[in-house]
Order: sequence, then C-alpha cells, then structure tokens
Amino acid sequence: DAKTTQPTSMDCAEGRAANLPCNHSTISGNEYVYWYRQIHSQGPQYIIHGLKNNETNEMASLIITEDRKSSTLILPHATLRDTAVYYCIVRGGYNTDKLIFGTGTRLQVFP
Amino acid sequence: DAGITQSPRYKITETGRQVTLMCHQTWSHSYMFWYRQDLGHGLRLIYYSAAADITDKGEVPDGYVVSRSKTENFPLTLESATRSQTSVYFCASSENRILYGYTFGSGTRLTVV
Repeated sequence: DAKTTQPTSMDCAEGRAANLPCNHSTISGNEYVYWYRQIHSQGPQYIIHGLKNNETNEMASLIITEDRKSSTLILPHATLRDTAVYYCIVRGGYNTDKLIFGTGTRLQVFP
Repeated sequence: DAGITQSPRYKITETGRQVTLMCHQTWSHSYMFWYRQDLGHGLRLIYYSAAADITDKGEVPDGYVVSRSKTENFPLTLESATRSQTSVYFCASSENRILYGYTFGSGTRLTVV
C-alpha cells in the first residue's frame, strides 16, 4: 500500500472551511484514497473515499489532483465538533483487504 | 439495535490470564477487523476476516487469537495477557473492502496488571 504524508496538526476557525492535505506520491492506479477521523476516545469514523474523481457527501468533499499524488479533504463549514484526528489512507485495488492507518492530522477548530 | 458493539467496554486483567474481547455486528458484513491503539503507535491492525471461517494476520498478530464461526461475531482472545497488550481495542466491519468504509465499534479499554 502507498504511504501517505499529512501535517501533524492544523487549526481552523469555526465556520470556515478546513482544508486538510495529504500527499501520496507513490499511489498506484488501482489504489483508493480514504479519509477517516477519530474524535477523542471514540472509534474512527469513515468520512469519504475516492479513486480519481472528486467526491462529495454530506460530511465533506475530497479533491484528488489529476496525477493522483495528493488530495485534500474539505470540511466546508467547520464546527467545534469537527475537532479530531484525521487520517488519510491509501489502499489498493482488489488484492488488499487491510486498511493501514498512519499518524494523521490533529485538527483543532477554535471559536 | 443495529450496529457494531464491543464488550466489555473496560477490562482489567492480570498478567498471564486469558481474556476474550467480543465484537458483534448486525449488518451481516463480510469483513471484520481488530485494531489496537496505543499512544505513539496510532491504530494497528491485529487480525481481520473476509468471511466466516476465513481469518488472516495483520501488522501485530503475536499473542492474539481470533475465530469467526458466525458472520456476525469476531472475538479476539489474548491467550496469556501481557502488560504490553494494555491498549484500546477497536473492532470494525465492512460490507465491501473497496466500495464502502469501515464502521468501528466504541472500543474496549484493556488494562493488564
């Protein structure tokens, strides 16, 4: 599975968009990008995933660059409840069952 | 209630004892997973299962045993607990390994004394 690089921490003002970057320069053609978050002491929560097209759901948007070497998770209007650790994970194709978590980005949303 | 449940929520056990952590999901998801989470190591995969009676090792399987006789249950057993196995354990399930995300349980906080 391709490795990912994320900033250790980020801050965001409440009501503003939170843009969380992720680099995955070794991603291969059949690998998907997944985003999860973990609010303190809770189990991780699935947010969104994509292959090469941009994706949007009720929680967030995922923007994947054309070369697929990086992506950005966008929380359009961050709230205090979005304070969490956000994990970007790349997982491949049809030969990999496992989801391997990295260290993630700690997002702090402030009032 | 529908969902994925882990039990117990908290457990204290002594070194050398056998302890089993339970995981139950109500969706009939094919895939189930066990992770442990420790400060400084993040989430690490212990074991996973693609279907009933099919299990495979993850990153850190030593000292753990799993079984999956029924689709909805995926117990994790520590055969002889050690202090290094003090951790928070999360179970997860997924309908499809690619098209859907994982749903995680609330976790079991295990302390080995």
